[in-house]
Order: sequence, then structure tokens, then C-alpha cells
Amino acid sequence: AQSVAQPEDQVNVAEGNPLTVKCTYSVSGNPYLFWYVQYPNRGLQFLLKYITGDNLVKGSYGFEAEFNKSQTSFHLKKPSALVSDSALYFCAVRPRMDSSYKLIFGSGTRLLVRP
Amino acid sequence: DSGVTQTPKHLITATGQRVTLRCSPRSGDLSVYWYQQSLDQGLQFLIQYYNGEERAKGNILERFSAQQFPDLHSELNLSSLELGDSALYFCASSPPGGGYGYTFGSGTRLTVV
Repeated sequence: AQSVAQPEDQVNVAEGNPLTVKCTYSVSGNPYLFWYVQYPNRGLQFLLKYITGDNLVKGSYGFEAEFNKSQTSFHLKKPSALVSDSALYFCAVRPRMDSSYKLIFGSGTRLLVRP
Repeated sequence: DSGVTQTPKHLITATGQRVTLRCSPRSGDLSVYWYQQSLDQGLQFLIQYYNGEERAKGNILERFSAQQFPDLHSELNLSSLELGDSALYFCASSPPGGGYGYTFGSGTRLTVV
């Protein structure tokens, strides 16, 4: 079965420190990969995506993600965390051969950045 | 404003009742997706419509149904509601060809009492 794993329910980091939110996937072929962020009482907002090309993808709000094909991972990173980055982060994949284009989401990781 | 409009924002109803959630996709998008977000199960894909036709079905209960109208807005109908149906219901849309990702609405929070 196709799945996405976010192994950490919560990540705690001090403001100014680098952050990493982990994501691994089990999907056949080379899927499209995404990160979304959800603030309280809001919908999910697109952060970044990997389609092809450079393994390091840059997105909104200073976030970036590194695609590692051999480890089937797509970890979200930011060099210097802000308190305002505190939110719920979702990794998602879309199998390339799926004509429905539906996204498969991970369970989410809550990021808490302390001042 | 993401361009995807969901109404109502909040809904409180009793067990056994039926409700309808509405979604208007972003202009130009033909696909509408419905997701359920509950505390213990994350984001669960329910169903997708593309230009009026059902394209994909996920873990959608038989008590739930959806449709997409000629103007491309979509409605999710939930009937015989149970306490466990309390959740955030999100609609998302994507352009023709998939566009690689979605635009989400702000969701409808359903509380069943």
C-alpha cells in the first residue's frame, strides 16, 4: 500500500536554530512530493514541491526540502526557525501514474518554536 | 484568500441528522477533492470529482455522498450523522492536468452532538 510517514508527532526547536521535519514515503515509481503547512483554524497552505531536477527544493517563508531517492525521504528544513513557524506540517505525495492526481498525506508533525 | 470557498465555516448538528457542505473551486480549476481531518486520523481522502464526474474514491462512508455541478461547485452530503463524524472537512481544487498540487479551502468544522 502507498503511504507517507512522518515519524515525529512534534518537533521542538529554539528560535534561530535550524529545524528539520522528517518525511519518508512508500510509493511506487517517482512520485511528486509536497509540503503543506496548517495554521490554527486555517486550511492547508502550499509550501513547496518536488517534481524533478535538483534534489534541494526551495519554497515559501525560507523553507526548503531535500529529496533523497535512495532513502525515499523528503525532509523539510529551515536554517533559522522563527516563532511564527509554529504550525502543523504535512508531507504529501502524488504517484506519477495516478490519473486522479489525489494526494496521499502523512499524519502531520507539529512544529513548536520557542522564543 | 486561497480562491477556494467553503461554506459554512462551522456547523453544529445532532446525531442522526443530515448536512450539506459546499465548496466552490478556484477559478479555472476542474478538480475538486474532499478530505476529512480528525484528531486521531490525520487527513483522509474522501472523494474527487473532475469536471462533474467522479474520478477517485477513498475511504468514504456509504452515509456520505458528493456531487459536482455544471458550474463546478461541489457539495458533500453527510447523513445519519454520528458523534465520530465530528471533524474538519476540507475541499481542495486543482487545475486541468493536475497542476502538481492543490489549493485548499479553509474548511468546515462539523460538530455532531
